[in-house]
Amino acid sequence: EVQLVESGGGLIQPGGSLRLSCTVSGFTVGSHMTWVRQAPGKGLEWVSLIYSDGTTYYADSVKGRFTISRDNSKNTLYLQINSLRAEDTAVYYCARAPPYGDYYGMDVWGQGTTVTVSS
Amino acid sequence: QSVLTQPPSASGTPGQRVTISCSGSSSNIGSNYVYWYQQLPGTAPKLLFYRNNQRPSGVPDRFSGSKSGTSASLAISGLRSDDEADYYCAAWDDSLSAVVFGGGTKLTVL
Repeated sequence: EVQLVESGGGLIQPGGSLRLSCTVSGFTVGSHMTWVRQAPGKGLEWVSLIYSDGTTYYADSVKGRFTISRDNSKNTLYLQINSLRAEDTAVYYCARAPPYGDYYGMDVWGQGTTVTVSS
Repeated sequence: QSVLTQPPSASGTPGQRVTISCSGSSSNIGSNYVYWYQQLPGTAPKLLFYRNNQRPSGVPDRFSGSKSGTSASLAISGLRSDDEADYYCAAWDDSLSAVVFGGGTKLTVL
């Protein structure tokens, strides 16, 4: 069964750092993978994408502060978040691109992990 | 302000047909496939359509997707109470080198 499980969220002070993890099973994390976030009561916001070849893309709102990476040996995707701001408060989802679709699609999603930035 | 434009809300009665629009530009919908996602209350999003109108297995054929030029649409026929959810369109934007989402449409079944 294809599954993604996020972890690493929590309450963090402005300016702090956090590393989110997304452990996958049923497929290899070396696929195209995406992070999406959703602020409380708001819509979906794309955050970052990593191609199977390691090429990365970021939303302008997080460029320079967030870093997407993965460890194939642990079948885990990461999102390093630095210089956290109040507007980064959101549920963060990881998702897989569909093998039958496009690199920017998302066919299986994790349950999300909540990041709250507050002093 | 989202790059893709969706109506914030839509509604219908059980059994009716509703349509949700998604408007973009030549750099996103005009040149790339559209994806649709359904998010039931309190849950993670679920893929509803890939490549404009392709349904993953398990999505009922009451749902249909289409694209024309720089716009796309999601139609739901035979509306059911459990279709109440937020619906999002998305596409790759060649100018931004980013995935862009619509702001989402909250569907209410009256």
